[in-house]
Amino acid sequence: NAGVTQTPKFQVLKTGQSMTLQCAQDMNHEYMSWYRQDPGMGLRLIHYSVGAGITDQGEVPNGYNVSRSTTEDFPLRLLSAAPSQTSVYFCASREQLPTDTQYFGPGTRLTVL
Amino acid sequence: TQLLEQSPQFLSIQEGENLTVYCNSSSVFSSLQWYRQEPGEGPVLLVTVVTGGEVKKLKRLTFQFGDARKDSSLHITAAQPGDTGLYLCAGAGGFLGSGGYQKVTFGTGTKLQVIP
Repeated sequence: NAGVTQTPKFQVLKTGQSMTLQCAQDMNHEYMSWYRQDPGMGLRLIHYSVGAGITDQGEVPNGYNVSRSTTEDFPLRLLSAAPSQTSVYFCASREQLPTDTQYFGPGTRLTVL
Repeated sequence: TQLLEQSPQFLSIQEGENLTVYCNSSSVFSSLQWYRQEPGEGPVLLVTVVTGGEVKKLKRLTFQFGDARKDSSLHITAAQPGDTGLYLCAGAGGFLGSGGYQKVTFGTGTKLQVIP
């Protein structure tokens, strides 16, 4: 039982490049989400999904796309990287009520030059 | 917009000291969670409090949810170097979209360093 896995761990991009951050969970949770973490700003929700084929925007969705073709996988795509997207990205899988526990992956540290 | 302010932002203490971290908001939350995050890793849930006035203990950590469910505190007794990390509070309240996804607002974090 690996929980939530994310790849890559580190990535450096040039402005304008695109890439996909991978996320997978093996807990059969319906709810998954992507956050970015910036100093002094806490974790901010980018996109979330309530099940395969169903995604929606969070607090800071601009510049990012997601898809959810299976329960296990929830990739995050950066369409045209910008320096403002330099951040640490976390994928989370969420157990629904009553515990409502979120399980986070180890994160991807992204630098956009 | 729901905001969660944590204080202090940084705390550096000696091993054996006690400390309290605060999490405050003007919004009411249905539940509040505390996470600890170590460098290079994702946050890990410590506790969830649901009822106003609720107190939960986890070994040397005591968590309290305010009576009005707008604030919370984390008290650590006799801190140890293993307590070092970033502590995040997160409040749940309201729903996003139409799929039943409950909104979670994260605090800005308290970075704790316990010196041996």
